[in-house]
Amino acid sequence: GAGVSQSPSNKVTEKGKDVELRCDPISGHTALYWYRQSLGQGLEFLIYFQGNSAPDKSGLPSDRFSAERTGGSVSTLTIQRTQQEDSAVYLCASSPSRTVDTQYFGPGTRLTVL
Amino acid sequence: AQRVTQPEKLLSVFKGAPVELKCNYSYSGSPELFWYVQYSRQRLQLLLRHISRESIKGFTADLNKGETSFHLKKPFAQEEDSAMYYCALRPAKTDKLIFGTGTRLQVFP
Repeated sequence: GAGVSQSPSNKVTEKGKDVELRCDPISGHTALYWYRQSLGQGLEFLIYFQGNSAPDKSGLPSDRFSAERTGGSVSTLTIQRTQQEDSAVYLCASSPSRTVDTQYFGPGTRLTVL
Repeated sequence: AQRVTQPEKLLSVFKGAPVELKCNYSYSGSPELFWYVQYSRQRLQLLLRHISRESIKGFTADLNKGETSFHLKKPFAQEEDSAMYYCALRPAKTDKLIFGTGTRLQVFP
């Protein structure tokens, strides 16, 4: 079946602009995660959704970052007033449930802020 | 602090040589530990988890609580093992993964 998909695959934006990154999880997966991978860094947890609610937002680096999930499916990560340090690969992952520990990752969105 | 450390950015070996990718963690409770792998132009995917005590593609990893380590080992490396390997920890009662910075394994013919 189809895996996790993310769009766009690449995004170049100017400093100060807002961007939206989209994640389509595997159908039926209730858990959804966002991670960020900056150059030379490991994957950094951002936020976790169970259904449409986000019980763990502890990784969001600032209030410029927000995410939502609708219909227990698609999720959007929004970065407002982008800064150069936001440049990174943003990865989305989904899991069948919170009790299943395997996370299935998408291909990522490479964000470049000029 | 909860942390995963992978001290080697790059590990290069010849085909048939043994491989050990190091992972150390900092966590006060009982950890759940994983190894994820990313082959060239592919997605990040789970390789193995410590609770399963499984061997995947010839790789094994043993949790050593005394040394707070979860090193990944394979007795005879293959060229197709060349990839980026990430060690990850899931703290108890959470759903997030804390990743190390990764080790690139290069296996030469």
